[in-house]
Formats: sequence, C-alpha cells, structure tokens
Amino acid sequence: GESVGLHLPTLSVQEGDNSIINCAYSNSASDYFIWYKQESGKGPQFIIDIRSNMDKRQGQRVTVLLNKTVKHLSLQIAATQPGDSAVYFCAENRYFGNEKLTFGTGTRLTIIP
Amino acid sequence: KAGVTQTPRYLIKTRGQQVTLSCSPISGHRSVSWYQQTPGQGLQFLFEYFSETQRNKGNFPGRFSGRQFSNSRSEMNVSTLELGDSALYLCASSPNALTGGRPGEQYFGPGTRLTVT
Repeated sequence: GESVGLHLPTLSVQEGDNSIINCAYSNSASDYFIWYKQESGKGPQFIIDIRSNMDKRQGQRVTVLLNKTVKHLSLQIAATQPGDSAVYFCAENRYFGNEKLTFGTGTRLTIIP
Repeated sequence: KAGVTQTPRYLIKTRGQQVTLSCSPISGHRSVSWYQQTPGQGLQFLFEYFSETQRNKGNFPGRFSGRQFSNSRSEMNVSTLELGDSALYLCASSPNALTGGRPGEQYFGPGTRLTVT
C-alpha cells in the first residue's frame, strides 16, 4: 500500500547550523511532495513542495531534494533559528486538483540555543 | 485575509454521543479538507469537499460524515463516539490553480481538540 514515512522521529540542531529532515515514500505514482511545519498548538503550515519531475527546489532558507531512484525526500533548513523548532511532516499529493494528502509520521526538530 | 477558523476549539463528549465540528475556510477557497491527528496514527485524511460535493474520502467508518455549504463553510459530524475518536480534528482549505495555488498547498486551521470519555 502507499505510505509516506520518516527515518527519524526527533532531531536536535544547534542554532545557526543547517538541518536535514528525511522522508521515505513508497508510492511512485505521486506527482507532488510537500513539506509542512507544525508548531505547538497550531495546524500544519505549508513550507515548500516539489514536483516528481524535479530533483531540487529552493525556497527561503529551505531546500527540498527528491531522489526518485530510492524514493527519498529531504528538507534542508539553512542557518536554523529558534522559530524553526516544530514538527515537520512530508506529504504526498497524487495530482493537482486532488486535495487528499498522505502525511508521514513527522520529525520533531529542536533548535538548541 | 483571515485564516481558517474552526469551532469549537475544545470539546469533551462521552461515548455514544455525537458531535459536529465547524470550519470556515479562507475567503475564496472552495476546497475544504478534514484530517484527524492522533499521536498513534498521525495525520489521516478524512474527506474533502468542493462546491458542496464530497470529492475525496479517506478510510474512516461511516460514523464520520461531513458536508459543505454554498458559502464553502464545512461541518463534520461523528456519530456514536468511541474512545478512539479522541483526537485533534484539523480543517484545511485550498486555493485552486486559477488563484495561484500550488498542488497540495493547504491552509490549516488550529483544529478542534475532541476528548471522548
């Protein structure tokens, strides 16, 4: 069956360092992969997405890498800040217009001051 | 623009009761999705409504239902509550391609924390 999973449940990073959050997926039919950030007491917040025909996409301080060969997705956050502390979810979207997201289990990122 | 709002924020019910949760999407968003979040199962898709029609459905029992009104506001209902229904219920609205939305780009509300005792 389809699934989106994460390698590590927790990650601690020193403030100012870069962090990498990983995600494995099993559904090759997915068209889009998305990263969400969820802070305590809030709903998830869209960070960045990548289409399946790309292998890298950059945003502000974030980069998403997609390796279709090994079905692996990663989110890199540069120069981490205390506000980056949150749970990060990868999600899969089958195609545009389909709003059924399949979420991974989440990684809790803690930024150490 | 105002964000997605959900009411109530917290709810305590007993087993066997039913509950209705409400969601108001961002103005102009016609798609509304519902998710259940629990520590054990994570974020799971319940259903999605677009223009008052259920367009997608997750793998939940028929006790979970929803609807959408002409103003895009949505409600979900859970009948015959079970202890396992205790969760954070999240509503999300989505822009469409014509309004510059990206695939999978959903705007979540703060959720309704449902506790079943």
